[in-house]
Amino acid sequence: GNSVTQMEGPVTLSEEAFLTINCTYTATGYPSLFWYVQYPGEGLQLLLKATKADDKGSNKGFEATYRKETTSFHLEKGSVQVSDSAVYFCALSDRGGAGGTSYGKLTFGQGTILTVHP
Amino acid sequence: DVKVTQSSRYLVKRTGEKVFLECVQDMDHENMFWYRQDPGLGLRLIYFSYDVKMKEKGDIPEGYSVSREKKERFSLILESASTNQTSMYLCASRARDRGNYGYTFGSGTRLTVV
Repeated sequence: GNSVTQMEGPVTLSEEAFLTINCTYTATGYPSLFWYVQYPGEGLQLLLKATKADDKGSNKGFEATYRKETTSFHLEKGSVQVSDSAVYFCALSDRGGAGGTSYGKLTFGQGTILTVHP
Repeated sequence: DVKVTQSSRYLVKRTGEKVFLECVQDMDHENMFWYRQDPGLGLRLIYFSYDVKMKEKGDIPEGYSVSREKKERFSLILESASTNQTSMYLCASRARDRGNYGYTFGSGTRLTVV
């Protein structure tokens, strides 16, 4: 079955530091890949996505590249801010069959807590 | 702005009670999902529904059931609550459109079973 593995947390950084959160996956076929973010007390929000190999998703200064050869989708940001403190989830979506009921189900990693200090 | 609304942010229930968690979306989405979120385990899929009155088991359906009588509403039911069901529950919805893989999540219901 599908699975997603994220680097162990929590991650603590100083403001303006470089961020990498590793994510690797196991899936059959050609999944789409996502990063979601959960701010304190809120639900999950889509941060970025990539739907095919070598695609780069980007949003709010965050980037991730779909690497099929290494089955990875690592999240990076060049200069983090205190407001980036949140839990980050890597996820994949299977394609399923045409009209299949499994189409679009998300499988999540375990989440990585990021804390950024001033 | 599109919304997924979960009826309660916090619930405290007793062991053995029947518990209903409600989720409503206003986006006319076909697919709706219930996940539970636990530290170190990420989000795990309990049940999902791809149409009215249709449902499928996710990865951890034991102890839960669901109901989808109307397109906009998807209810999660704990038939007899147990302490190991203390968790954060997240509802999500998405359109069946092949070009749109994004989920919209509710804010979550933190359930404590005592």
